[in-house]
Amino acid sequence: SQKIEQNSEALNIQEGKTATLTCNYTNYSPAYLQWYRQDPGRGPVFLLLIRENEKEKRKERLKVTFDTTLKQSLFHITASQPADSATYLCALGDTGRRALTFGSGTRLQVQP
Amino acid sequence: DGGITQSPKYLFRKEGQNVTLSCEQNLNHDAMYWYRQDPGQGLRLIYYSQIVNDFQKGDIAEGYSVSREKKESFPLTVTSAQKNPTAFYLCASSTGQGNTEAFFGQGTRLTVV
Repeated sequence: SQKIEQNSEALNIQEGKTATLTCNYTNYSPAYLQWYRQDPGRGPVFLLLIRENEKEKRKERLKVTFDTTLKQSLFHITASQPADSATYLCALGDTGRRALTFGSGTRLQVQP
Repeated sequence: DGGITQSPKYLFRKEGQNVTLSCEQNLNHDAMYWYRQDPGQGLRLIYYSQIVNDFQKGDIAEGYSVSREKKESFPLTVTSAQKNPTAFYLCASSTGQGNTEAFFGQGTRLTVV
């Protein structure tokens, strides 16, 4: 069955450092992958989308990579700030179902 | 302001009762979705709709029902057949073209008392 894995342990880093979050998947051939941010008690907010034929996408301090051979995406936040503390979810989509499949998320805590 | 609105924010239900969660969007999106989120877990798909008067079961549809009579609205009914309904419910919408982002509501936290 399809499986998406994100590190369930919280990631704690110091302010100013680069945070790197991982999303691995199995039994899936996604057409695209998305990253969302979710704050406690709120709905997820879209951050970035990367397609299967793209290797890397950037938006301000955010960078996403997508390796379809490794079946992995890495999400980087450079110059991290305490305000970046949240749970980050990866989501995969294909051209068939058209509904996203989400990972369980990784909680990021940026210490001042 | 364009957006997607869920109501109520908190909902309490007695065991054996059906309850309906509201989801409205004014983004002119064709597709709408319902997800369930349990503590420490990701979002699991309950139902989705690509167009008015049509919807498909997701991964955990048992004990739930939906309707899509209007483009703007996609209500979810949690029936008494749902064995463990206490959860955080999220509604989302998108253009439905694929390759596009989903916009989420603020969620409804349902508690069975």
